[in-house]
Amino acid sequence: AQSVTQPDIHITVSEGASLELRCNYSYGATPYLFWYVQSPGQGLQLLLKYFSGDTLVQGIKGFEAEFKRSQSSFNLRKPSVHWSDAAEYFCAVGASGYALNFGKGTSLLVTP
Amino acid sequence: GAVVSQHPSWVICKSGTSVKIECRSLDFQATTMFWYRQFPKQSLMLMATSNEGSKATYEQGVEKDKFLINHASLTLSTLTVTSAHPEDSSFYICSARYRKETQYFGPGTRLLVL
Repeated sequence: AQSVTQPDIHITVSEGASLELRCNYSYGATPYLFWYVQSPGQGLQLLLKYFSGDTLVQGIKGFEAEFKRSQSSFNLRKPSVHWSDAAEYFCAVGASGYALNFGKGTSLLVTP
Repeated sequence: GAVVSQHPSWVICKSGTSVKIECRSLDFQATTMFWYRQFPKQSLMLMATSNEGSKATYEQGVEKDKFLINHASLTLSTLTVTSAHPEDSSFYICSARYRKETQYFGPGTRLLVL
């Protein structure tokens, strides 16, 4: 069965600092991997996705993620965080014909 | 592109009434839509998969007679919460599958049952 683990429930970073949000997955084959962001009271916005090919994927808002098969990870990174990046971040795994399986989310707080 | 809307964004209703939530894909056709429920400070819980022209597939523990799903067209799926009770109060989010397994989400509907 698919599963997604986001080890960090909360992360606090200073504005301008770099960010890495962790995501580990469990799946028998190479899954489709996604990162979504959710602002309070809002729906989810797709940041980036990985299906195949280049393991470093670029997304919107300056985010990137790297797929590491050996570590079953798909960590999200941003070199310099802005206050507007404060939100809830969800990693998700999917497979052809199936719905997404979401991690529990990581809440990002950005301090001045 | 790939915009999904939901209506209404907020709804307050009395216990025992039914509430219909619409999910529309505005600029693409979606043969598959999904309905999720999200409790405060928690992740999304898949309720059901809605396929155009066929019956929805419900996740274990989700009452199909309680949460009626209709996917009558390639751009519209509806979720009706029948005989709503306070424990049905939640944030309901839909998504629509676009191309290669990518799901785009609606802005969500917050339901409060008094």
